[in-house]
Amino acid sequence: ETGVTQSPTHLIKTRGQQVTLRCSSQSGHNTVSWYQQALGQGPQFIFQYYREEENGRGNFPPRFSGLQFPNYSSELNVNALELDDSALYLCASSSGSGWNEQFFGPGTRLTVL
Amino acid sequence: LAKTTQPISMDSYEGQEVNITCSHNNIATNDYITWYQQFPSQGPRFIIQGYKTKVTNEVASLFIPADRKSSTLSLPRVSLSDTAVYYCLVGVSNDYKLSFGAGTTVTVRA
Repeated sequence: ETGVTQSPTHLIKTRGQQVTLRCSSQSGHNTVSWYQQALGQGPQFIFQYYREEENGRGNFPPRFSGLQFPNYSSELNVNALELDDSALYLCASSSGSGWNEQFFGPGTRLTVL
Repeated sequence: LAKTTQPISMDSYEGQEVNITCSHNNIATNDYITWYQQFPSQGPRFIIQGYKTKVTNEVASLFIPADRKSSTLSLPRVSLSDTAVYYCLVGVSNDYKLSFGAGTTVTVRA
């Protein structure tokens, strides 16, 4: 059984640029959630996708957007990058919507200069 | 989600039992209590979930008193590899938002 994978591992961007992060969910999982984790803090919920539809969103501005594909993989897009967007971005997959046990990927470390 | 309070850090030695208590005074009737573990530069990993009394799995035990206003995660005989951040979360099973606090940093020393 393949776990949750994310790409790239690390990324460096400059302020104002756009970035796309990718996530492949665990086999059999149809739900993907994205989290932002700043240094020294717990992960903060960005949004969740269930069967290709956004299923809920946390307190993040519209420049954070996402997609889920028919194979349940997902993308997180961030436009107009700001310095405070520097963080570890985590993807988690689960079976079904709601608060089922979530399986996290290793994350993508984004640095905005 | 119900707010949780847990210690910022705890130190222990190999072979000891570590108990982390989480306070959740405003827990609702339908809320479950879940604990995650996170190593540096990795995503959190589910440890255990419970509703009341005691739950035990191969990794940990979770003790929940009758009033459910707190819970205690017990890690038996810790090793150096148990050094991590431990998060307590409280919420209903159909609430998709996992809300992590700052967690408890557990440091196990030889």
